[in-house]
Amino acid sequence: QKEVEQNSGPLSVPEGAIASLNCTYSDRGSQSFFWYRQYSGKSPELIMSIYSNGDKEDGRFTAQLNKASQYVSLLIRDSQPSDSATYLCAANYGGSQGNLIFGKGTKLSVKP
Amino acid sequence: GAGVSQSPSNKVTEKGKDVELRCDPISGHTALYWYRQSLGQGLEFLIYFQGNSAPDKSGLPSDRFSAERTGGSVSTLTIQRTQQEDSAVYLCASSLGRPETQYFGPGTRLLVL
Repeated sequence: QKEVEQNSGPLSVPEGAIASLNCTYSDRGSQSFFWYRQYSGKSPELIMSIYSNGDKEDGRFTAQLNKASQYVSLLIRDSQPSDSATYLCAANYGGSQGNLIFGKGTKLSVKP
Repeated sequence: GAGVSQSPSNKVTEKGKDVELRCDPISGHTALYWYRQSLGQGLEFLIYFQGNSAPDKSGLPSDRFSAERTGGSVSTLTIQRTQQEDSAVYLCASSLGRPETQYFGPGTRLLVL
C-alpha cells in the first residue's frame, strides 16, 4: 500500500513563529515531492517542490527532504494569519513516471 | 495565462441520474488528472491521461465512472447512476508531463440527493 502520512493537526502557532509541517512516505522509489496549500473551499495550489536530499528555500518557505528516512518537511518562517490553511504533502510512486499520492493534509492555524 | 478551468462549478443531482463534469487544462499541458476530495479528506486519485490515452485508470471507484479526453485537451468525467456517496469535490489538474508539477482547477462540487 503506497501511503503518504501527515499529522492532521490542527497545528496552532502564534504569528511570527516558525511552523513545521511533517510528512512521511512509504515508497522508497518516490523521487518527486510536493507541498500544496489548500484554503477552505478552494483547490490546492503548489507551494514547493523538492527532488534532492537537503533543503530548498523559497522566501519564507523551506522544504526539507531525507530520502533515507523517507521524510519530507515544510518550514514556514515568520508565520502569518494568511498562512492558515491545510497543507498537503504529495509524493510520486511507481518510479520517475509515477502518479502522485497525496497525504490527507495538516491543518495549520496561525494566531494573531 | 489561463489556468485549469472546470465546469460546472456546482452540480446538484438526484440519485440515479448521470452527470458529466468537464475540465479544460492549461494550454500545452499533455498530462491531465482527475481527483476526488470528500469533505475533510485528502485527494483521491481517479484517472490520468497522457494525451488522449488513459494509461492509469486504477483509481476509478466503480464501473459507473468513466472519463475521456479528446484532442489532447478537454476531458470529461462521467458518473452514471449517481449514488449519494459520489457527493464530493471533483478536481482536475494538468501538467506539462510527468512527474511535473500539477496545477489544479477550481473543482466541481457535486451533491447527490
